[in-house]
Amino acid sequence: RKEVEQDPGPFNVPEGATVAFNCTYSNSASQSFFWYRQDCRKEPKLLMSVYSSGNEDGRFTAQLNRASQYISLLIRDSKLSDSATYLCVVSDAGGTSYGKLTFGQGTILTVHP
Amino acid sequence: ETGVTQSPTHLIKTRGQQVTLRCSSQSGHNTVSWYQQALGQGPQFIFQYYREEENGRGNFPPRFSGLQFPNYSSELNVNALELDDSALYLCASSLGQPGLYEQYFGPGTRLTVT
Repeated sequence: RKEVEQDPGPFNVPEGATVAFNCTYSNSASQSFFWYRQDCRKEPKLLMSVYSSGNEDGRFTAQLNRASQYISLLIRDSKLSDSATYLCVVSDAGGTSYGKLTFGQGTILTVHP
Repeated sequence: ETGVTQSPTHLIKTRGQQVTLRCSSQSGHNTVSWYQQALGQGPQFIFQYYREEENGRGNFPPRFSGLQFPNYSSELNVNALELDDSALYLCASSLGQPGLYEQYFGPGTRLTVT
């Protein structure tokens, strides 16, 4: 079983749609959680951190359920510029851990006119 | 721009050869991590350097090695290249532990092994 698993996708949605991505992780020692965005042939960039209380950044809402080891990302009112690969990422940072990032395989989102 | 640079941008090597990839971290960042990203996959952690010492390693064979220099720049060396080593190699720098501090990725080096 992979440490971080994401919806296989790809997702193809019209502009204005709401789309949700799901992710599960296997390491219960994971301490930090993130969503990264990666444009075609570019480097990953941090989209947002994910907190247990849930957090929102404009059209983006992230949720974390530690008991179920489940992370989600909701994008409302999709824009053409949201087209990218979305990567679910967990880290075991803290204590004696050196805090590597473990990435899911990514989910491709295409927003069309 | 993140301030993290990598060289070269692209590289073509033959199976069995050796390659050195370079990374210049963002100013003030003392931690550098290297990742391998195969086509259609997420990045896989190779190893991490903190103040010139390797302090974490993923599931990669010993022919993957690295260095970090006093200015915190870093190198990734791969010996005895195999076809499966073809991938995008990313380095990322941070002020401290990734996960506690944001990692900033460089644009990557695309390695093709023929």
